[in-house]
This record gives sequence, C-alpha cells and structure tokens, in this order.
Amino acid sequence: DADVTQTPRNRITKTGKRIMLECSQTKGHDRMYWYRQDPGLGLRLIYYSFDVKDINKGEISDGYSVSRQAQAKFSLSLESAIPNQTALYFCATSDFRVGEQFFGPGTRLTVL
Amino acid sequence: SQQGEEDPQALSIQEGENATMNCSYKTSINNLQWYRQNSGRGLVHLILIRSNEREKHSGRLRVTLDTSKKSSSLLITASRAADTASYFCATVGVNDYKLSFGAGTTVTVRA
Repeated sequence: DADVTQTPRNRITKTGKRIMLECSQTKGHDRMYWYRQDPGLGLRLIYYSFDVKDINKGEISDGYSVSRQAQAKFSLSLESAIPNQTALYFCATSDFRVGEQFFGPGTRLTVL
Repeated sequence: SQQGEEDPQALSIQEGENATMNCSYKTSINNLQWYRQNSGRGLVHLILIRSNEREKHSGRLRVTLDTSKKSSSLLITASRAADTASYFCATVGVNDYKLSFGAGTTVTVRA
C-alpha cells in the first residue's frame, strides 16, 4: 500500500461549492504539507502542519483551510471554490529531522 | 515567491547522452533537494545535498552545489527513456523546514 494517499484522485466541481481533499499517511511523520501545482509554476505551499496542534499558512493560503484530525490525517478544504483554484493538489509528509518530503499521488481538481 | 529557478525550462536529448540542468536560488539554505515528477504524478525525491557539501552522487545522478554562487546542478548520465520527466529543485532555508520549489526542467529522452 502507498505510504501517502490522497482522496479523491480527480474531482470536478462547480463555482461556489465547498470541497474537501483528504490526505492520509502511514509513514508516522509529524510534518504534513499541502501544495498546489499549476503549469509552469512548480509547486506552491498552501498550508503545513508540524504536529497535530500546529497549523501554519503557506504562501498561498487565501481561499483554503485545513484540518489536522490526527497525526496521520490532514485535510484541505476549499470553502467556496472558484475557477482559478483549478490545479493539481499534492499532500506531502516529512520526518522532523530531515528535509526530504514524501508526496502523495495528487488530486486533479477542476472548478467549472 | 519561489526560491529556486531551473534552467533550461526544457531539454531534449538522445538516449545515452547526459542531461544537465541548473538551479539558482536567492537566500541562504540549509539544504537543496532534487525531485522528479513523471507526467501528472507525485514527486519523487532524488537526492539531498547539504549546504556544507559540494558534490553528491546517487547512481547515475550527480549533484553539485556552489553556495557562493547560490546555484546547483543536476547531471543525469547515460540517459534512458525512463528518465523522461520534469525535474525540480527545492531549497530548505536556514531557519526553516519548508521546501521552496522552482518551476522545473522538463526532460525528454528520445529513443
């Protein structure tokens, strides 16, 4: 089984809808991250969490919120989706001591 | 804003040739990492080089780091069709544990 899983893998929604993307990990890592990827822009950090009680904004947090339900689970919500949030979303985890991150397979989100 | 900038944006080579891509960054780092992404899939970590290291090898990969120039290079030797992917550099700041990614280099290896 994959160490970092994301659900759903693909989602099409309409403007104004609330949507939640979920991430689960079995690596036992404390640190979890949400990124979005747009063509030609690489990955940009949305939110990150260093443990269950810690939530931090990344460089593009407006329009998003997160919840760290447990060490293994980190969810990203779009309260009212808009078309420019159409992107590929990745969850990642890391060990406290090293910088290497482990990525999930991604969720392709389309907002119509 | 993104910390790393890769060059070139795209690279097309023949199987068996070497591929070299470069990364420049703006602020002091703890380490620099390279990741590979196959089309539309998750990123896979390739190699991490710390700020006090100058060169690192992993299989057919060679990474160099020049902190005085704030730059790094990734060399893939004897390329294969399976090396076709996008390659990203990412930096971790000195007092930070977050990755800051560049826009990536797309490598196409022709059979």
